[in-house]
Amino acid sequence: DAKTTQPTSMDCAEGRAANLPCNHSTISGNEYVYWYRQIHSQGPQYIIHGLKNNETNEMASLIITEDRKSSTLILPHATLRDTAVYYCIVSYNQGGKLIFGQGTELSVKP
Amino acid sequence: DGGITQSPKYLFRKEGQNVTLSCEQNLNHDAMYWYRQDPGQGLRLIYYSQIVNDFQKGDIAEGYSVSREKKESFPLTVTSAQKNPTAFYLCASMGTSGISSYNEQFFGPGTRLTVL
Repeated sequence: DAKTTQPTSMDCAEGRAANLPCNHSTISGNEYVYWYRQIHSQGPQYIIHGLKNNETNEMASLIITEDRKSSTLILPHATLRDTAVYYCIVSYNQGGKLIFGQGTELSVKP
Repeated sequence: DGGITQSPKYLFRKEGQNVTLSCEQNLNHDAMYWYRQDPGQGLRLIYYSQIVNDFQKGDIAEGYSVSREKKESFPLTVTSAQKNPTAFYLCASMGTSGISSYNEQFFGPGTRLTVL
Protein backbone atom coordinates (compact mmCIF):
# COMPACT_ATOMS: atom_id res chain seq x y z
CA ASP A 1 0.00 0.00 0.00
CA ALA A 2 1.23 3.49 -0.87
CA LYS A 3 2.54 5.71 1.88
CA THR A 4 1.12 9.17 2.51
CA THR A 5 2.67 12.32 3.92
CA GLN A 6 0.64 14.90 5.82
CA PRO A 7 1.52 17.94 7.92
CA THR A 8 1.50 17.14 11.62
CA SER A 9 -0.83 19.97 12.57
CA MET A 10 -2.83 22.87 11.15
CA ASP A 11 -4.99 25.67 12.50
CA CYS A 12 -8.11 27.11 10.91
CA ALA A 13 -10.42 29.95 11.90
CA GLU A 14 -14.02 29.03 12.52
CA GLY A 15 -16.16 29.65 9.43
CA ARG A 16 -13.22 29.60 7.06
CA ALA A 17 -12.31 26.80 4.69
CA ALA A 18 -9.86 24.21 5.99
CA ASN A 19 -7.57 22.82 3.29
CA LEU A 20 -5.70 19.70 4.36
CA PRO A 21 -2.96 18.52 1.98
CA CYS A 22 -1.70 15.00 1.42
CA ASN A 23 1.16 13.67 -0.68
CA HIS A 24 0.98 10.16 -2.08
CA SER A 25 3.61 10.14 -4.81
CA THR A 26 3.84 6.32 -5.01
CA ILE A 27 0.12 5.69 -5.48
CA SER A 28 -0.64 2.99 -8.03
CA GLY A 29 -3.19 3.28 -10.80
CA ASN A 30 -6.01 1.46 -9.08
CA GLU A 31 -5.51 2.74 -5.54
CA TYR A 32 -8.05 5.16 -4.16
CA VAL A 33 -7.49 8.12 -1.84
CA TYR A 34 -9.52 7.90 1.37
CA TRP A 35 -9.98 10.43 4.13
CA TYR A 36 -11.05 9.59 7.67
CA ARG A 37 -11.12 11.73 10.76
CA GLN A 38 -10.87 10.91 14.46
CA ILE A 39 -12.27 13.12 17.14
CA HIS A 40 -10.44 12.73 20.41
CA SER A 41 -10.96 9.33 22.09
CA GLN A 42 -13.52 8.17 19.51
CA GLY A 43 -13.30 5.76 16.59
CA PRO A 44 -12.37 7.18 13.18
CA GLN A 45 -15.13 8.28 10.82
CA TYR A 46 -15.12 7.95 7.04
CA ILE A 47 -15.29 11.29 5.22
CA ILE A 48 -14.80 10.81 1.49
CA HIS A 49 -12.82 8.91 -1.13
CA GLY A 50 -11.84 9.29 -4.77
CA LEU A 51 -9.82 7.81 -7.61
CA LYS A 52 -9.14 10.49 -10.23
CA ASN A 53 -12.00 12.94 -10.29
CA ASN A 54 -12.74 15.52 -7.66
CA GLU A 55 -15.45 14.43 -5.26
CA THR A 56 -17.88 16.28 -3.02
CA ASN A 57 -20.32 15.12 -0.38
CA GLU A 58 -22.17 16.70 2.51
CA MET A 59 -19.05 16.70 4.68
CA ALA A 60 -16.21 17.75 2.40
CA SER A 61 -14.63 18.04 -1.03
CA LEU A 62 -11.67 16.05 -2.28
CA ILE A 63 -9.38 17.54 -4.91
CA ILE A 64 -6.94 15.10 -6.56
CA THR A 65 -4.19 16.42 -8.81
CA GLU A 66 -4.06 15.24 -12.38
CA ASP A 67 -0.93 13.13 -11.76
CA ARG A 68 -2.63 11.73 -8.60
CA LYS A 69 0.49 12.32 -6.55
CA SER A 70 -1.27 14.61 -4.09
CA SER A 71 -4.71 15.57 -2.90
CA THR A 72 -6.45 18.14 -0.72
CA LEU A 73 -9.39 17.66 1.59
CA ILE A 74 -11.50 20.79 1.88
CA LEU A 75 -13.90 21.49 4.72
CA PRO A 76 -15.71 24.52 3.26
CA HIS A 77 -16.88 26.16 6.48
CA ALA A 78 -14.99 24.73 9.42
CA THR A 79 -16.69 24.60 12.80
CA LEU A 80 -15.30 23.90 16.25
CA ARG A 81 -16.69 20.37 15.94
CA ASP A 82 -14.33 19.75 13.01
CA THR A 83 -11.37 19.79 15.40
CA ALA A 84 -9.92 16.29 14.95
CA VAL A 85 -7.07 14.27 13.49
CA TYR A 86 -7.53 13.79 9.74
CA TYR A 87 -6.04 10.73 8.07
CA CYS A 88 -5.26 10.48 4.37
CA ILE A 89 -5.02 6.84 3.26
CA VAL A 90 -4.46 5.19 -0.09
CA SER A 91 -5.95 1.77 -0.58
CA TYR A 92 -7.40 -0.63 -3.10
CA ASN A 93 -11.17 -0.49 -3.15
CA GLN A 94 -11.86 -4.16 -2.69
CA GLY A 95 -10.06 -5.97 0.07
CA GLY A 96 -7.50 -3.25 0.57
CA LYS A 97 -6.29 -2.64 4.07
CA LEU A 98 -6.47 0.82 5.56
CA ILE A 99 -3.08 1.91 6.88
CA PHE A 100 -3.43 4.86 9.23
CA GLY A 101 -0.41 7.14 9.53
CA GLN A 102 -0.17 9.88 12.13
CA GLY A 103 -2.53 12.19 10.27
CA THR A 104 -2.97 15.95 10.55
CA GLU A 105 -4.28 17.41 13.79
CA LEU A 106 -6.65 20.18 12.75
CA SER A 107 -7.54 22.78 15.37
CA VAL A 108 -10.47 25.04 14.51
CA LYS A 109 -10.30 28.20 16.57
CA PRO A 110 -13.06 30.73 17.31
CA ASP B 1 -29.94 1.54 15.93
CA GLY B 2 -27.40 -0.13 13.67
CA GLY B 3 -23.80 0.05 14.67
CA ILE B 4 -20.82 -1.44 16.42
CA THR B 5 -20.59 -1.86 20.15
CA GLN B 6 -17.48 -2.41 22.19
CA SER B 7 -17.51 -3.13 25.85
CA PRO B 8 -16.39 -2.12 28.31
CA LYS B 9 -15.21 1.44 27.57
CA TYR B 10 -12.48 1.20 30.21
CA LEU B 11 -10.80 -2.00 31.34
CA PHE B 12 -8.15 -2.59 33.97
CA ARG B 13 -6.20 -5.80 34.36
CA LYS B 14 -3.21 -7.02 36.27
CA GLU B 15 -0.05 -7.90 34.42
CA GLY B 16 0.03 -11.54 33.35
CA GLN B 17 -3.73 -11.94 32.95
CA ASN B 18 -5.41 -12.63 29.65
CA VAL B 19 -8.29 -10.31 28.83
CA THR B 20 -10.96 -10.49 26.13
CA LEU B 21 -12.39 -7.39 24.47
CA SER B 22 -15.86 -7.58 23.01
CA CYS B 23 -16.92 -6.32 19.58
CA GLU B 24 -20.44 -6.79 18.21
CA GLN B 25 -22.01 -5.37 15.04
CA ASN B 26 -25.56 -5.49 13.69
CA LEU B 27 -24.75 -3.98 10.31
CA ASN B 28 -24.68 -7.39 8.59
CA HIS B 29 -21.08 -6.69 7.55
CA ASP B 30 -18.86 -9.57 6.47
CA ALA B 31 -15.51 -8.00 7.35
CA MET B 32 -14.34 -7.04 10.83
CA TYR B 33 -11.10 -5.52 12.08
CA TRP B 34 -9.17 -4.89 15.28
CA TYR B 35 -6.80 -1.95 15.64
CA ARG B 36 -4.56 -0.72 18.39
CA GLN B 37 -3.82 2.96 18.98
CA ASP B 38 -1.08 4.31 21.23
CA PRO B 39 -1.01 7.95 22.40
CA GLY B 40 -0.25 10.38 19.57
CA GLN B 41 -0.06 7.59 17.02
CA GLY B 42 -2.19 6.33 14.18
CA LEU B 43 -4.06 3.03 14.21
CA ARG B 44 -2.23 -0.25 13.69
CA LEU B 45 -4.00 -3.35 12.41
CA ILE B 46 -3.94 -6.37 14.74
CA TYR B 47 -6.24 -8.92 13.08
CA TYR B 48 -8.97 -8.89 10.49
CA SER B 49 -11.64 -11.26 9.28
CA GLN B 50 -13.31 -11.15 5.91
CA ILE B 51 -15.78 -13.95 6.57
CA VAL B 52 -17.03 -16.15 9.39
CA ASN B 53 -14.57 -18.82 10.59
CA ASP B 54 -11.65 -17.12 8.85
CA PHE B 55 -9.22 -14.43 9.96
CA GLN B 56 -5.77 -13.11 9.11
CA LYS B 57 -2.96 -11.51 11.06
CA GLY B 58 -2.42 -7.82 10.66
CA ASP B 59 0.79 -5.92 11.25
CA ILE B 60 1.05 -6.43 15.02
CA ALA B 61 -0.66 -9.76 15.78
CA GLU B 62 1.90 -11.10 18.26
CA GLY B 63 0.42 -11.52 21.72
CA TYR B 64 -3.18 -11.34 20.48
CA SER B 65 -5.74 -13.91 19.40
CA VAL B 66 -9.20 -13.68 17.82
CA SER B 67 -12.15 -15.85 16.85
CA ARG B 68 -14.95 -15.36 14.34
CA GLU B 69 -17.60 -17.95 15.10
CA LYS B 70 -20.49 -15.61 14.30
CA LYS B 71 -20.87 -12.88 11.71
CA GLU B 72 -21.87 -10.36 14.37
CA SER B 73 -19.02 -10.95 16.79
CA PHE B 74 -15.22 -10.66 16.64
CA PRO B 75 -13.71 -10.84 20.15
CA LEU B 76 -10.05 -10.02 20.73
CA THR B 77 -8.01 -11.67 23.47
CA VAL B 78 -4.98 -9.84 24.74
CA THR B 79 -2.70 -12.53 26.12
CA SER B 80 0.03 -12.32 28.70
CA ALA B 81 2.51 -12.65 25.82
CA GLN B 82 1.70 -9.12 24.65
CA LYS B 83 4.55 -7.07 26.13
CA ASN B 84 2.87 -3.64 26.14
CA PRO B 85 -0.89 -4.22 26.20
CA THR B 86 -1.92 -0.82 27.58
CA ALA B 87 -3.55 0.97 24.64
CA PHE B 88 -6.80 2.10 23.03
CA TYR B 89 -8.39 -0.75 21.07
CA LEU B 90 -10.76 -0.10 18.19
CA CYS B 91 -12.98 -2.53 16.36
CA ALA B 92 -14.37 -1.85 12.88
CA SER B 93 -16.56 -3.55 10.31
CA MET B 94 -17.10 -3.13 6.62
CA GLY B 95 -19.60 -4.30 4.03
CA THR B 96 -17.90 -6.10 1.16
CA SER B 97 -20.69 -6.43 -1.36
CA GLY B 98 -23.45 -4.45 -2.99
CA ILE B 99 -23.57 -0.68 -2.92
CA SER B 100 -21.04 -0.33 -0.12
CA SER B 101 -18.21 -1.96 -2.07
CA TYR B 102 -15.53 0.45 -1.03
CA ASN B 103 -13.32 0.79 2.01
CA GLU B 104 -15.73 2.52 4.33
CA GLN B 105 -15.03 1.02 7.71
CA PHE B 106 -17.40 1.72 10.58
CA PHE B 107 -15.70 2.00 13.94
CA GLY B 108 -16.87 1.25 17.44
CA PRO B 109 -16.29 3.63 20.37
CA GLY B 110 -13.18 1.76 21.50
CA THR B 111 -11.97 0.11 24.70
CA ARG B 112 -9.19 1.70 26.69
CA LEU B 113 -7.18 -1.11 28.31
CA THR B 114 -4.82 -0.40 31.16
CA VAL B 115 -2.59 -3.15 32.50
CA LEU B 116 -1.33 -2.46 35.98
